[in-house]
Amino acid sequence: AQSVTQLGSHVSVSEGALVLLRCNYSSSVPPYLFWYVQYPNQGLQLLLKYTTGATLVKGINGFEAEFKKSETSFHLTKPSAHMSDAAEYFCAVSDSGGGADGLTFGKGTHLIIQP
Amino acid sequence: DADVTQTPRNRITKTGKRIMLECSQTKGHDRMYWYRQDPGLGLRLIYYSFDVKDINKGEISDGYSVSRQAQAKFSLSLESAIPNQTALYFCATSDYRGNYYNEQFFGPGTRLTVL
Repeated sequence: AQSVTQLGSHVSVSEGALVLLRCNYSSSVPPYLFWYVQYPNQGLQLLLKYTTGATLVKGINGFEAEFKKSETSFHLTKPSAHMSDAAEYFCAVSDSGGGADGLTFGKGTHLIIQP
Repeated sequence: DADVTQTPRNRITKTGKRIMLECSQTKGHDRMYWYRQDPGLGLRLIYYSFDVKDINKGEISDGYSVSRQAQAKFSLSLESAIPNQTALYFCATSDYRGNYYNEQFFGPGTRLTVL
């Protein structure tokens, strides 16, 4: 079975500082990896995804993530935090090679932006 | 209009009552999913469906049932609600792209409270 570990249930950074949200996964097959963001009282929105090909993936709102197979990691970064980035972030891995059988989510990281 | 809609958005009910949550999509996707979100636990898969004739259990299906009335409609039922089913429920859809399923698109969620 797949699993996802997100280090840190809460991460606080200053506006303009680097954002780093950590995600490690376990998978017995080549993984498909996703980062979703959830703003208050809203559903989940896809930030970026890794399926195959380039290991550095760029997403919306200036976020990017790098797939590192040797470290089984898919950390999310943004060079400069903005107040609007405050939200809950979820890392997810597909339960099968194609993601058809649903996603396994991490427990989430709440990102707090300090002015 | 939203591509994935859920009704109701909020519901308060009592222990033992039967509850149905409904999901509709206009994206034309074949796969639909139900997840529940609990604080600090992330999202967990309840059921998923490939088409109207195909229903599959997820990680936490006990106490729930589903119905896929049409490609565009997928309902989740709690036959006899209990307080630990108090949660935020999300419907999601995805479609097939070549050799993998695309990312999942989420509805706005239904907040269910069981007293």
